[in-house]
Amino acid sequence: AQTVTQSQPEMSVQEAETVTLSCTYDTSENNYYLFWYKQPPSRQMILVIRQEAYKQQNATENRFSVNFQKAAKSFSLKISDSQLGDTAMYFCAFMKLYTSGTYKYIFGTGTRLKVLA
Amino acid sequence: EPEVTQTPSHQVTQMGQEVILRCVPISNHLYFYWYRQILGQKVEFLVSFYNNEISEKSEIFDDQFSVERPDGSNFTLKIRSTKLEDSAMYFCASRSPLGASKNIQYFGAGTRLSVL
Repeated sequence: AQTVTQSQPEMSVQEAETVTLSCTYDTSENNYYLFWYKQPPSRQMILVIRQEAYKQQNATENRFSVNFQKAAKSFSLKISDSQLGDTAMYFCAFMKLYTSGTYKYIFGTGTRLKVLA
Repeated sequence: EPEVTQTPSHQVTQMGQEVILRCVPISNHLYFYWYRQILGQKVEFLVSFYNNEISEKSEIFDDQFSVERPDGSNFTLKIRSTKLEDSAMYFCASRSPLGASKNIQYFGAGTRLSVL
């Protein structure tokens, strides 16, 4: 069975600094997707970035980038130039495609990030 | 921007009571999901729903749980006889079947269920 591990329950970073959130996963699948979602307090989870496992190039979205190491099964999120609005819970998620066509997510426990002024 | 909405944001109920959690998915989405997160634990998949039937469910989703799309807009999760251990945050999600975003699930803000 697939598992996703986020080993940092809480982190903090100074505004404008860079922070990296770690995520590791375990799977025997070869084709899958990985995601980082952000959940601000009392708000819905919002997709930050996604990575297709068959792509070697690391995904980037503005200040957000990933370091995807397929062999090591590692998928870390780097936030550059941190802003106060980045304060949120961050979830790493793995997606397996079932034969039924269902796209089921498997989540980690989350990392609570606080950006300090 | 369209979003998934969930009501209520917080539901308090007595053990043994039935609760219905409501979700309005994004209008052109056809796949629907429920997840839950017990405090301090992982977000766990409960069930997926497509074409008016359950397509996948987890072992958590036992006979006490049911889902329904009663009309063209709502997607509900019913817990027939709540237990203390059902206390959790419940997230609804929906997904489009088409295009570049077809593997992305869009989440609601969640309903916090407290069973007393």
